[in-house]
Amino acid sequence: KNQVEQSPQSLIILEGKNCTLQCNYTVSPFSNLRWYKQDTGRGPVSLTIMTFSENTKSNGRYTATLDADTKQSSLHITASQLSDSASYICVVSAVPNEKLTFGTGTRLTIIP
Amino acid sequence: EAGVAQSPRYKIIEKRQSVAFWCNPISGHATLYWYQQILGQGPKLLIQFQNNGVVDDSQLPKDRFSAERLKGVDSTLKIQPAKLEDSAVYLCASSLDLGYEQFFGPGTRLTVL
Repeated sequence: KNQVEQSPQSLIILEGKNCTLQCNYTVSPFSNLRWYKQDTGRGPVSLTIMTFSENTKSNGRYTATLDADTKQSSLHITASQLSDSASYICVVSAVPNEKLTFGTGTRLTIIP
Repeated sequence: EAGVAQSPRYKIIEKRQSVAFWCNPISGHATLYWYQQILGQGPKLLIQFQNNGVVDDSQLPKDRFSAERLKGVDSTLKIQPAKLEDSAVYLCASSLDLGYEQFFGPGTRLTVL
């Protein structure tokens, strides 16, 4: 069964600090992995997308890594800001139908 | 470019009542998705349309849920009758075609009392 597990479930850090969120998946055969940011009361918004051959992708202060051999991904946030407070969801897509498997998300809270 | 629109944003009903949600996808997007997101969980796909045809409705509780996309543009999702466990956010998403990036609407938060 295709599964995506994320850790930690929740995280609280001080503004300006860095943090790393983890994602492990068992989706096979693998197509791509996305990290989404979901603000409270909003729909998810894509941050990064990585295919099998990519092992790192950056979007501003967000950097995602992918290890396709161990089926692990991480999302690193640098110099956190209050606006980074949100849920971060790891989503893995399988071939050939591109059906998405969602993780349960990490709830990140940035405090001043 | 306008995003995915959903209405209403919030709905409170009593169990056994009916409710309908509406979604207007991004113009030109052929694929439309309805997801259910229970608090603290990731979204779960309920149904996927390609134009006005159903691609996947394997996780749609068909005894109470129905959805349509008659002209291949707007879509409605209906629950009849609602149960307490249907309390969730219902997200609509659209993509240019199968396999393309999905863009999500703001969701409709349903509370069943």
